[in-house]
Amino acid sequence: GQQLNQSPQSMFIQEGEDVSMNCTSSSIFNTWLWYKQDPGEGPVLLIALYKAGELTSNGRLTAQFGITRKDSFLNISASIPSDVGIYFCAGTHNSISGTYKYIFGTGTRLKVLA
Amino acid sequence: DVKVTQSSRYLVKRTGEKVFLECVQDMDHENMFWYRQDPGLGLRLIYFSYDVKMKEKGDIPEGYSVSREKKERFSLILESASTNQTSMYLCASSELLGYQPQHFGDGTRLSIL
Repeated sequence: GQQLNQSPQSMFIQEGEDVSMNCTSSSIFNTWLWYKQDPGEGPVLLIALYKAGELTSNGRLTAQFGITRKDSFLNISASIPSDVGIYFCAGTHNSISGTYKYIFGTGTRLKVLA
Repeated sequence: DVKVTQSSRYLVKRTGEKVFLECVQDMDHENMFWYRQDPGLGLRLIYFSYDVKMKEKGDIPEGYSVSREKKERFSLILESASTNQTSMYLCASSELLGYQPQHFGDGTRLSIL
């Protein structure tokens, strides 16, 4: 199935640093979603974006729906050790059959060094 | 808060067994999904359902079937388990409108010996 291009694949950062990751697609999306998955757990929704250009924050997290509707980014400010995990982007768009299709990114594995 | 509950966190079964993975959601969501997650391959959709007794194949349905007899419950069935079905299985649900976020359960780590 189709997947989104998510980068970077992994990153090591020092505690207190800011983090930025993004997802791009060749298709236009109606929605962009960002999830975090801790080891051995299911993905948890962090931020949902519904409109091109929308900028939304959730605590130290900020995400934006790209103006072209083909990309999105997630920023984490002042990282802390519990930010460690895998971050997934996801998008929805209309499929050929007329139903909505969810597409997931391949994930960014974040490791925070204390 | 949305709660999606998967019946088992860890499961070990033998090759050839019929395996049932159960998922229940408490938010009256119309849509339910089953994914498997493997390192380097991301999330792959197995089956989804938009309504009771309704199902549609995802990207990798071979070797699996599903059942949705009640709105809140979506079961994944491995008809004859094989070792290549060892994986993390994730259930998710969402509201009817397709652009609403999916909410995931904690996953079932299934090992087939």
